[in-house]
Amino acid sequence: DTAVSQTPKYLVTQMGNDKSIKCEQNLGHDTMYWYKQDSKKFLKIMFSYNNKELIINETVPNRFSPKSPDKAHLNLHINSLELGDSAVYFCASSHGVAGSGANVLTFGAGSRLTVL
Amino acid sequence: AQRVTQPEKLLSVFKGAPVELKCNYSYSGSPELFWYVQYSRQRLQLLLRHISRESIKGFTADLNKGETSFHLKKPFAQEEDSAMYYCALSGYTGRRALTFGSGTRLQVQP
Repeated sequence: DTAVSQTPKYLVTQMGNDKSIKCEQNLGHDTMYWYKQDSKKFLKIMFSYNNKELIINETVPNRFSPKSPDKAHLNLHINSLELGDSAVYFCASSHGVAGSGANVLTFGAGSRLTVL
Repeated sequence: AQRVTQPEKLLSVFKGAPVELKCNYSYSGSPELFWYVQYSRQRLQLLLRHISRESIKGFTADLNKGETSFHLKKPFAQEEDSAMYYCALSGYTGRRALTFGSGTRLQVQP
């Protein structure tokens, strides 16, 4: 059983389109994250939810909107896609919130988004 | 502010040579430090954390608060160590998520 699963794994789309990436974890974790890995492999936090509550919202464009219907799911919706959105998006989960001592992250396999 | 710096983008060594992947951090407090690794076609996964003070796959890392460093070391590199290595920091205040460095690609040549 995959612990953190993301779909789709690959996504190729045109500029201006709206797309979503879904993430689910079956670890019983209460915190989930979205990270963006750019072409230079730099990993940057975008959002974090704890028990469906948004706790981190980094400086990302409003076109990015996370949604957490329950603590096992964290989806990422992107409106009006731009070329610069091309990246690999990683979902992760943890038991507890970073800084609490229980912050070992389990990552998904990543979703590679290519905007043409 | 939390910051993690990995000065080397690429480190290439020969099999059997010692390896040291550098990591420096900036944080006004007592952070937790981690090393994550991403092997080819695999997920990013935890390699080790400083509070565990353990050796994983022959790798060790010591937190040096005076130098604000958490370098990853292995005395004898193996080809299977080739991967992308990320140093990460977690603080108890401020941003409550792991802050990652930019990563270092380790290439171990035969």
